[in-house]
Amino acid sequence: DTEVTQTPKHLVMGMTNKKSLKCEQHMGHRAMYWYKQKAKKPPELMFVYSYEKLSINESVPSRFSPECPNSSLLNLHLHALQPEDSALYLCASSDRDRGTKQETQYFGPGTRLLVL
Amino acid sequence: DAKTTQPPSMDCAEGRAANLPCNHSTISGNEYVYWYRQIHSQGPQYIIHGLKNNETNEMASLIITEDRKSSTLILPHATLRDTAVYYCIVSGGGSNYKLTFGKGTLLTVNP
Repeated sequence: DTEVTQTPKHLVMGMTNKKSLKCEQHMGHRAMYWYKQKAKKPPELMFVYSYEKLSINESVPSRFSPECPNSSLLNLHLHALQPEDSALYLCASSDRDRGTKQETQYFGPGTRLLVL
Repeated sequence: DAKTTQPPSMDCAEGRAANLPCNHSTISGNEYVYWYRQIHSQGPQYIIHGLKNNETNEMASLIITEDRKSSTLILPHATLRDTAVYYCIVSGGGSNYKLTFGKGTLLTVNP
């Protein structure tokens, strides 16, 4: 089973709202990721958590706040977003292959966010 | 991470093999070639990855040239459901967490 689930599927929020995106995986993967994908563009990495600790932040604005409550859950808290933050937000998880040391990422279906 | 170059679009007839090329001339010795695809409005789907040997799984085959400067993803019998953007990504070599997506190839499978 290589399933990563994300909720909600769609979200509309105003610029003064606070909302959260949720991601869950039950594959025992130790790394989890947030990506942002604008229309007709490739996904761009935002954050990486490894063993529930933030290991990579790709200079993301502070209005995006990630949280990893446990090894299966990853949240993205949103506050004071701008219309240009409207995008598909993708979550992924991975685990390290003991032989090759490679991390193969498996993605969820994404949350489509519209900021008005 | 090494950069990749892919054609922006390709067409393939249903039932025929689809061969998607990728150039990665600056790949380093410990970097892997990964292929993902993204069907419209869905999350990217992992297909296959390899270091230097050819690889095959239930979805596709990956052929890597001996000098590792290019590779080809082969979908042996393309179906309409294989219409998607295919991304060739070079990853590893100390940046194992980073997948840097390029623009990919839009493969359209025609009936």
